[in-house]
Amino acid sequence: QVHLQESGPGLVKPSETLSLTCTVSGGSVSSDNFYWSWMRQPPGKGLEWIGYIYYSGSTNYNPSLKSRVTISLDTSKSQVSLKLSSVTAADTAVYYCAREKRWSYALDIWGQGTMVTVSS
Amino acid sequence: QSALTQPASVSGSPGQSITISCTGTSTDIGVYNFVSWYQQHPGKAPKLMIYDVSNRPSGVSTRFSGSKSGNTASLTISGLQAEDEADYYCSSFTSDITEVFGGGTKLTVL
Repeated sequence: QVHLQESGPGLVKPSETLSLTCTVSGGSVSSDNFYWSWMRQPPGKGLEWIGYIYYSGSTNYNPSLKSRVTISLDTSKSQVSLKLSSVTAADTAVYYCAREKRWSYALDIWGQGTMVTVSS
Repeated sequence: QSALTQPASVSGSPGQSITISCTGTSTDIGVYNFVSWYQQHPGKAPKLMIYDVSNRPSGVSTRFSGSKSGNTASLTISGLQAEDEADYYCSSFTSDITEVFGGGTKLTVL
């Protein structure tokens, strides 16, 4: 059974870089059938797609965040990382990683999510 | 990349059927069958309920069904149960090679 677990600081200062890691267990991040994706959800609001990475290293990002986002993959550690630079209070949210079916763009397995607050 | 449009809330009594709509454009729902639906209970991660417009993942109740007409996708829940009370989100692939979610619909079981 594939399991995803997000980890990282729960508090980030404005203008700094948010860094999160998603550890995948029970499955391979090198499968060509899946993307590895990040989403976020501000408190009391809806979901926002951030982007995804393929095992080859190719990425695709939300245009509204593209200038600040980097998603990377460490296959040796089965980890997917998210970096979001120059954060503001508007970036305060629960951040989720998920496995995405390549031919359906459906997020079939999600991590539990991790809350990140941007505040000085 | 505008969010897909969903009603803010819907409600129904146990045993009834409800439908949640998700309206996009000719650059997302209108041209792709990559529409998914997610259920989210408070404090929990979303759960995939429907993918590719109308396919159910293994383990999802047959009471959940999906469809699409033009630029609008729909999720129907039949035989409403108390446990169905949750937020529901649609998503679609877009012609920009990106993905977009709907604003979410709160389902209340009366």
